[in-house]
Amino acid sequence: ELKVEQNPLFLSMQEGKNYTIYCNYSTTSDRLYWYRQDPGKSLESLFVLLSNGAVKQEGRLMASLDTKARLSTLHITAAVHDLSATYFCAVDTHYGGSQGNLIFGKGTKLSVKP
Amino acid sequence: EAQVTQNPRYLITVTGKKLTVTCSQNMNHEYMSWYRQDPGLGLRQIYYSMNVEVTDKGDVPEGYKVSRKEKRNFPLILESPSPNQTSLYFCASSSGSYNQPQHFGDGTRLSIL
Repeated sequence: ELKVEQNPLFLSMQEGKNYTIYCNYSTTSDRLYWYRQDPGKSLESLFVLLSNGAVKQEGRLMASLDTKARLSTLHITAAVHDLSATYFCAVDTHYGGSQGNLIFGKGTKLSVKP
Repeated sequence: EAQVTQNPRYLITVTGKKLTVTCSQNMNHEYMSWYRQDPGLGLRQIYYSMNVEVTDKGDVPEGYKVSRKEKRNFPLILESPSPNQTSLYFCASSSGSYNQPQHFGDGTRLSIL
């Protein structure tokens, strides 16, 4: 059974600081997704990571994937208040070209303070 | 505008009264899915569908039914709701290709008394 663990679950940061959110998963997978959820809102896609060593960046967020270590990281650079949200990673249990059963981590609630 | 539409957005009902939450997408997506979100548990997949007439169980399918008779619609049916199904529900869709993210609806908050 695939398990996805995120840590930390809660993160309080000061503006301007850097930090990393970790996402570990228990069985082999070749695709991993990061989503953002603002309070009371839906989920928004951030990154799709598909291969070992994949790195993607958007603004102050950078995500990477190490399939051998079964680890993805979401790195936050010089945090700003607008990044305050809950961040989820999700791993697909299927192989091949199609999507299947998606397993989400419990989420990391990020609060960026001035 | 590309979107996933859920209805209703909020519902308070009583134990045992059958209810249906509708989900519709206008992106011609093949893959659709239902999730429930509970505090401290994150999102858990209930059912997913890779195409019309093709559905499969996610992690928490007990107490729920789905059908996929048309590509654009994927309703979630609670035949006999119970209080432990009180939750925030999200429908999502994607092209079905593994390199595409899922697009989520705005959510339906269900309270079963």
